[in-house]
Amino acid sequence: DIQMTQSPSTLSASVGDRVTITCRVSQSINNWLAWYQQKPGKAPKYLIYRASSLESGVPSRFSGSGSGTEFTLTISSLQPDDFATYYCQQYNSYSPWTFGQGTKVEIK
Amino acid sequence: QVQLVQSGAEVKKPGASVKVSCKTSGYTFTSYAMHWVRQAPGQRPEWMGWINTATGGTEYSRKVQDRVSITRDTSASAAYMDLDSLRSEDTAIYYCATIAGRTVYWGRGTLVTVSS
Repeated sequence: DIQMTQSPSTLSASVGDRVTITCRVSQSINNWLAWYQQKPGKAPKYLIYRASSLESGVPSRFSGSGSGTEFTLTISSLQPDDFATYYCQQYNSYSPWTFGQGTKVEIK
Repeated sequence: QVQLVQSGAEVKKPGASVKVSCKTSGYTFTSYAMHWVRQAPGQRPEWMGWINTATGGTEYSRKVQDRVSITRDTSASAAYMDLDSLRSEDTAIYYCATIAGRTVYWGRGTLVTVSS
């Protein structure tokens, strides 16, 4: 099974900060990596697909990068609405999915 | 637009079964696989399985493979997830999700509570 290690598990930051979250994958996934934002009681919100493509409607302060087995999500200037938990996910239509353990972004 | 509409919340006793439905619209149902994911309180999402909506073929996670069944009704453009022999640790929100084009679409989730 593909394993995903996300870090850090918790991140304390202030509005305006640049924030980076890392996701390491146990094997190459051909950039089939997505990033999600989740707030309490809500379904995950799709932010980034194929490692670096921004989903329509998602603010441009969110960006994804990386390839092979290491990927990052960057928020260039943290906004009040961005305090949430973020997950990376490896996905493909016709195979099992795996999620990272999550990064909770908290107010400093 | 693509929509995945799930059935309502369920409360079940240990040992019972639950069936969650996911009715789709806005795309050709048989064009894309349907996955099921659950999320227990405070935990990461956990993939449960997927169905090839064209052929009916399935694949399940090892953790639940003995208790889960994913089916579909192409005439209704709907997928279903059955989970048997429920335990307290099955208490979670259950989601259906599909990759349609470039986007992963999720249902809003169905809360299943297992409690005596």
